[in-house]
Amino acid sequence: ETGVTQTPRHLVMGMTNKKSLKCEQHLGHNAMYWYKQSAKKPLELMFVYSLEERVENNSVPSRFSPECPNSSHLFLHLHTLQPEDSALYLCASSQGVSGLGYEQYFGPGTRLTVT
Amino acid sequence: GNSVTQMEGPVTLSEEAFLTINCTYTATGYPSLFWYVQYPGEGLQLLLKATKADDKGSNKGFEATYRKETTSFHLEKGSVQVSDSAVYFCALEITQGGSEKLVFGKGTKLTVNP
Repeated sequence: ETGVTQTPRHLVMGMTNKKSLKCEQHLGHNAMYWYKQSAKKPLELMFVYSLEERVENNSVPSRFSPECPNSSHLFLHLHTLQPEDSALYLCASSQGVSGLGYEQYFGPGTRLTVT
Repeated sequence: GNSVTQMEGPVTLSEEAFLTINCTYTATGYPSLFWYVQYPGEGLQLLLKATKADDKGSNKGFEATYRKETTSFHLEKGSVQVSDSAVYFCALEITQGGSEKLVFGKGTKLTVNP
């Protein structure tokens, strides 16, 4: 595997379910990110991790819980979601979080539908 | 605050037509500027970037010039192909809370017909 991979690619869950999204990067990067992409809205940065430490949490509801066990893996744990949480969730990684113009490499995303 | 404004889409062109997608930004200081592209069913990929005023980023026939005086970073291509059909995102990089983060525009969907 190369680049940034995400599983599952599609997920349908009820509002009372608990599920997790997984992201893995094979680029040797030190920083990882979760974004939410909703229709007709800009990408929203949710969480940033640098060297497994959370450095940014953009006022995301507690029903989203990130976990970064090592610099290659990032999870997003989901529980008691709302229908408005349905979106494409994108994971990205970069060489670091500080520095001019570090490129972020994105995974293909997980299409989440909350019923 | 920091923000990016892109032209509303969708944009539909015929093959070999000239493309311009406008992007303007509001930011404190002089951020790095980016264009990302998202092909159907895929994540975003960096298309080009510019890190200081008057820099021109270019890739795959696409170009954009960092214009400080007009706070713009318009994307252009002289002759589009069907394979260029995708959603294009303009973004700027800011420093907040000691780390760099990207602020994206809403995206512009481009469809190129044969």
